[in-house]
Amino acid sequence: GQQVMQIPQYQHVQEGEDFTTYCNSSTTLSNIQWYKQRPGGHPVFLIQLVKSGEVKKQKRLTFQFGEAKKNSSLHITATQTTDVGTYFCAGLAAGNKLTFGGGTRVLVKP
Amino acid sequence: EAGVAQSPRYKIIEKRQSVAFWCNPISGHATLYWYQQILGQGPKLLIQFQNNGVVDDSQLPKDRFSAERLKGVDSTLKIQPAKLEDSAVYLCASSPGQGIHEQYFGPGTRLTVT
Repeated sequence: GQQVMQIPQYQHVQEGEDFTTYCNSSTTLSNIQWYKQRPGGHPVFLIQLVKSGEVKKQKRLTFQFGEAKKNSSLHITATQTTDVGTYFCAGLAAGNKLTFGGGTRVLVKP
Repeated sequence: EAGVAQSPRYKIIEKRQSVAFWCNPISGHATLYWYQQILGQGPKLLIQFQNNGVVDDSQLPKDRFSAERLKGVDSTLKIQPAKLEDSAVYLCASSPGQGIHEQYFGPGTRLTVT
């Protein structure tokens, strides 16, 4: 079945630095969604990418969908303590089933 | 707009006991999902409903798990009998429709099986 992998599993970042987390699917996706889960909370929708090569920005967050629609990335600039949490990508393939990756756990050092 | 409601928030049971979780989705959302999230992992889809019909239950352990959404609104997820490996957070989510719509998650039920 479809698999979605995320790297790195953990990201320790100094406050103010940039970092990127990556998402790779074993199959071509129709779209990809990103969610953020704060410690002890539930996943909250961030953004959806649909088109090949699409790039979307939300303040300090930049999301990209790969040309082959099998991978995606999330880049955060000038990391803040409010960015702490786990970032999940979720890929939608055939059958309208959303498959979540394992997440990247972000820890910010002040 | 009220969010997705779930109850109970926490549940501790012994193995081989049964347990039930309840979910009330956002009003008007046709699609309802139950996910299992084991600590340190991403949510794993157990079952997806479109109104009161099952769209996908391929990852539901049907020998012990069951779910229903009789009137196309509220849903219950049951485990009988529970095993130690069922300890997880059970998340309910809803969306206006299938596929391209964002999913809205409830706060989850944290189940501990001892």
